[in-house]
Amino acid sequence: GDSVTQTEGLVTLTKGLPVMLNCTYQTTYSPFLFWYVQHLNEAPKLLLKSSTDNKRTEHQGFYATLHKSSSSFHLQKSSVQLSDSALYFCALSDQTNTGKLTFGDGTVLTVKP
Amino acid sequence: AQTIHQWPVAEIKAVGSPLSLGCTIKGKSSPNLYWYWQATGGTLQQLFYSITVGQVESVVQLNLSASRPKDDQFILSTEKLLLSHSGFYLCAWSLDGGADEQYFGPGTRLTVL
Repeated sequence: GDSVTQTEGLVTLTKGLPVMLNCTYQTTYSPFLFWYVQHLNEAPKLLLKSSTDNKRTEHQGFYATLHKSSSSFHLQKSSVQLSDSALYFCALSDQTNTGKLTFGDGTVLTVKP
Repeated sequence: AQTIHQWPVAEIKAVGSPLSLGCTIKGKSSPNLYWYWQATGGTLQQLFYSITVGQVESVVQLNLSASRPKDDQFILSTEKLLLSHSGFYLCAWSLDGGADEQYFGPGTRLTVL
């Protein structure tokens, strides 16, 4: 079945530094990947999505590129802010009408002053 | 604009007691609806999805059931709670299945003692 792997459970950085959160996936279908962000005690919200190979997608200063050759969709930001502290999920859609999403375990990003 | 409402906001229940959680979506007709479960600080696990009124499909077996009695209403329930049912329950909707963005509700925090 489908799977999503996020290798970092916790990332702690100082404000202003760059960040990359890893996401790799396995699927037998054509992949459609998402990044969701969940702030403390809030619902998850969509940050980015992509199904286009080797095309960078950006939103709110975050960006990611889907690389089908390496089955990856890493999330990056050039300069993190305190407000970026949150739980980040990578998710994979099976693109059927069921809307099934497979989520990774999530990465907690903590940004310090 | 579409709004999603979940009730109750939080519940504390005894093991073996029944449970009913609700979700209502306003401003969108015939959405796809989903129930998710999230352990504290953990990943999101899709439990059920519904494409239309009266039809609900189970994704994982957790001794829970779901129903969609109205186009805009999704109910999650069980007759006997287990300790393992504790967590955060999120309702979500999308325009269609496939790779459409899913919009999450504010969630219900359940504590089973």
